[in-house]
Amino acid sequence: AQSVTQLGSHVSVSEGALVLLRCNYSSSVPPYLFWYVQYPNQGLQLLLKYTSAATLVKGINGFEAEFKKSETSFHLTKPSAHMSDAAEYFCAVSDQRGSGNTGKLIFGQGTTLQVKP
Amino acid sequence: NAGVTQTPKFRVLKTGQSMTLLCAQDMNHEYMYWYRQDPGMGLRLIHYSVGEGTTAKGEVPDGYNVSRLKKQNFLLGLESAAPSQTSVYFCASHPGPGANQPQHFGDGTRLSIL
Repeated sequence: AQSVTQLGSHVSVSEGALVLLRCNYSSSVPPYLFWYVQYPNQGLQLLLKYTSAATLVKGINGFEAEFKKSETSFHLTKPSAHMSDAAEYFCAVSDQRGSGNTGKLIFGQGTTLQVKP
Repeated sequence: NAGVTQTPKFRVLKTGQSMTLLCAQDMNHEYMYWYRQDPGMGLRLIHYSVGEGTTAKGEVPDGYNVSRLKKQNFLLGLESAAPSQTSVYFCASHPGPGANQPQHFGDGTRLSIL
């Protein structure tokens, strides 16, 4: 069975500081991995996705994530935080490679990013 | 291009009442999903559909029913609402098999059961 664990339900950084949001996954098949962002009172917006091409994936708004198979991790980073980055972030794994191929996503618990001025 | 549209956006119900949440997508996607979002629990899959006329249970299906009579619409029903169903509900769609694409989400329905 697939699962996702996001370490830290709340992360606080100063504006201009490095953002690091941690995600570890478990999957019996090579995974597809996603990071979504949710701004207050909005739906989920895709930040980036890993689908077995390059292990370093670049997304929107300056975010990137690195797939590390040996560590079963897909951590999200951004070199310099901006006030507008304050939101909730979700890591998710998909069964799209599996025999069932229903496109279902398994989400982590979410990490709220606070950016202090 | 509306993408995924959910109606209503907000609703307050009394315990025992019934209601239907509507999800519509205009991208000709094969797969559709209903999730609920609760604090500290991420999004959990309620039901999903891999094509018109098909539905399947997700992680937390109890107390909900769904129907996919038309490809573009996916309905979520609460037959007898309970306070535990107070949540934010999200609908999503996906192109279908062979597509390494992300799911597209609606803006959510905030539902309160008193």
